[in-house]
Amino acid sequence: EAGVAQSPRYKIIEKRQSVAFWCNPISGHATLYWYQQILGQGPKLLIQFQNNGVVDDSQLPKDRFSAERLKGVDSTLKIQPAKLEDSAVYLCASSLAGLAGGSYNEQFFGPGTRLTVL
Amino acid sequence: ILNVEQSPQSLHVQEGDSTNFTCSFPSSNFYALHWYRWETAKSPEALFVMTLNGDEKKKGRISATLNTKEGYSYLYIKGSQPEDSATYLCAFEDNNDMRFGAGTRLTVKP
Repeated sequence: EAGVAQSPRYKIIEKRQSVAFWCNPISGHATLYWYQQILGQGPKLLIQFQNNGVVDDSQLPKDRFSAERLKGVDSTLKIQPAKLEDSAVYLCASSLAGLAGGSYNEQFFGPGTRLTVL
Repeated sequence: ILNVEQSPQSLHVQEGDSTNFTCSFPSSNFYALHWYRWETAKSPEALFVMTLNGDEKKKGRISATLNTKEGYSYLYIKGSQPEDSATYLCAFEDNNDMRFGAGTRLTVKP
């Protein structure tokens, strides 16, 4: 079974530039998550999709971050314009069901995109 | 405890040493505790999901215990090998949320 795919793996940009990340979840997984992991901290959930609808985006900085999951499969996360503090690893994960789905939530992660903003 | 806390932050051991790390989490609204192993440049990989107080799980040389009443879980590695070098993340799941600790970074020297 293919895992969660992410691209690019690494990206270096200058502040105020734009950047986009792509995620392809495991086939059949309804729920998709984007996490931001800043060095020295745990992954923080930015947005959760159930199929193509947003379940939770309470921690997404909506003035500069946007995400979509067209057709309920692939997803893109965009930052426009980037700030220095956006330097982090951006992890995508997927699961069969979401949180509060009646059973524990087993999430499968991609390898992440390491973003450096100069 | 409101957040998920892991200790130590980093650990350096010699090959063959046994080691353990701690994950502390809120003791209310517990649903599950997840342990992940994250090697550099790879995907975080699920090690254990623990749901019941007193749970003990084992996979090869790695084992974990869970105490939901006092809000902690221990991860043990017996006879560490260089390939065990990774960051070990724990995540606390309640019925709405999954919160991660900052991880313990383990380096095993040959």
